[in-house]
Amino acid sequence: DQQVKQNSPSLSVQEGRISILNCDYTNSMFDYFLWYKKYPAEGPTFLISISSIKDKNEDGRFTVFLNKSAKHLSLHIVPSQPGDSAVYFCAASAVSGGSYIPTFGRGTSLIVHP
Amino acid sequence: EPEVTQTPSHQVTQMGQEVILRCVPISNHLYFYWYRQILGQKVEFLVSFYNNEISEKSEIFDDQFSVERPDGSNFTLKIRSTKLEDSAMYFCASSDRAANYGYTFGSGTRLTVV
Repeated sequence: DQQVKQNSPSLSVQEGRISILNCDYTNSMFDYFLWYKKYPAEGPTFLISISSIKDKNEDGRFTVFLNKSAKHLSLHIVPSQPGDSAVYFCAASAVSGGSYIPTFGRGTSLIVHP
Repeated sequence: EPEVTQTPSHQVTQMGQEVILRCVPISNHLYFYWYRQILGQKVEFLVSFYNNEISEKSEIFDDQFSVERPDGSNFTLKIRSTKLEDSAMYFCASSDRAANYGYTFGSGTRLTVV
């Protein structure tokens, strides 16, 4: 039962270009979405989040877009840097339903080539 | 920057043995979590802990699992009788509020059951 789906296990991008990581969800109760980044041998680190009352949130090179009707969100990284190479996890929670516990996807491994 | 510390980084145990995974959350955090990631799969929620009791748990967190905050600084996950399928990366996380803004994760303990 995959409520949060990251259908691309990996993505390869040239340095300086845009990286677009996609995430789909099935649970219509989800109203808060987060992206985490994970380097090897480290725990996931929080990157950026978005509430369902917004359709875009930007933080420096990172922008998250939310399309509620399509139950789809994406993380854009512009410009991509080699240090962005990591596994990116999408997560979603049903905050207004009383649960702050996010459900994670399987992750997408991003490789940024110099 | 404050960190969540997990020990050991790697634990090998025989099937049927008990293991205790240890975590030291960030000192002023009040909410504590355990997640696991089986190799190649998604990060899965196990349990959340607040005010010295379990606040939420998943279906995975059955009677063989228990959590404890024995001394006000450590937060432990005990698996009473390990099975092969318990082999996974176990992540501890903490937050200073119900986690709308993302947790701080530890680096994880890789548990290998043989």
